[in-house]
Amino acid sequence: EVQLVESGGGLVQPGGSLRLSCAASGFTFSSYSMNWVRQAPGKGLEWVSYISSSSSTIYYADSVKGRFTISRDNAKNSLYLQMNSLRAEDTAVYYCARAPFWGKGTTVTVSS
Amino acid sequence: EIVLTQSPGTLSLSPGERATLSCRASQSVSSSYLAWYQQKPGQAPRLLIYGASSRATGIPDRFSGSGSETDFTLTISRLEPEDFAVYYCQQYGSSPWTFGQGTKVEIK
Repeated sequence: EVQLVESGGGLVQPGGSLRLSCAASGFTFSSYSMNWVRQAPGKGLEWVSYISSSSSTIYYADSVKGRFTISRDNAKNSLYLQMNSLRAEDTAVYYCARAPFWGKGTTVTVSS
Repeated sequence: EIVLTQSPGTLSLSPGERATLSCRASQSVSSSYLAWYQQKPGQAPRLLIYGASSRATGIPDRFSGSGSETDFTLTISRLEPEDFAVYYCQQYGSSPWTFGQGTKVEIK
């Protein structure tokens, strides 16, 4: 069974940084591309970032480009999202996803 | 990017009725990589359908998906009280992933 467990969310001030992690199990992690998706309070779903299985291809949504960095460690079956220069509009639940499976999410709140 | 448009925005139905939700894509969805999710307040999206028509593990057979290329449908044959929620479609066949804006199924 595919399992994805996010961690690392919390309350951070505007301009601050946070690193999200996702622990994957139940499948051969190194064979799959991975994504981060987020959902702001009361809003729809927004794709954030993509990383290929070998990390050779990476994409970002325009809203986070230059501030967020996606990475993975295939030896540890883990996915990461380094978030810098956080803004209030980054407040959301962040989900780790391997099509079409998602984790339960971790909440990021950016507020002073 | 592929734009997904869901209709209707809100569906007002009674328990026991049939619900038909539509998801239309601005261009063909690669290999029918289209999924449907159910979301209730305060919860993560729950995978219902993947590959346009395959039910995810543990999903009741009253949920069914159909369609291809640019037109997809989620049907709930007989609404149960726990089915009243927001439903999203998503394409995962090409980057970036994109989502419909959601259809809320509410109790009439």
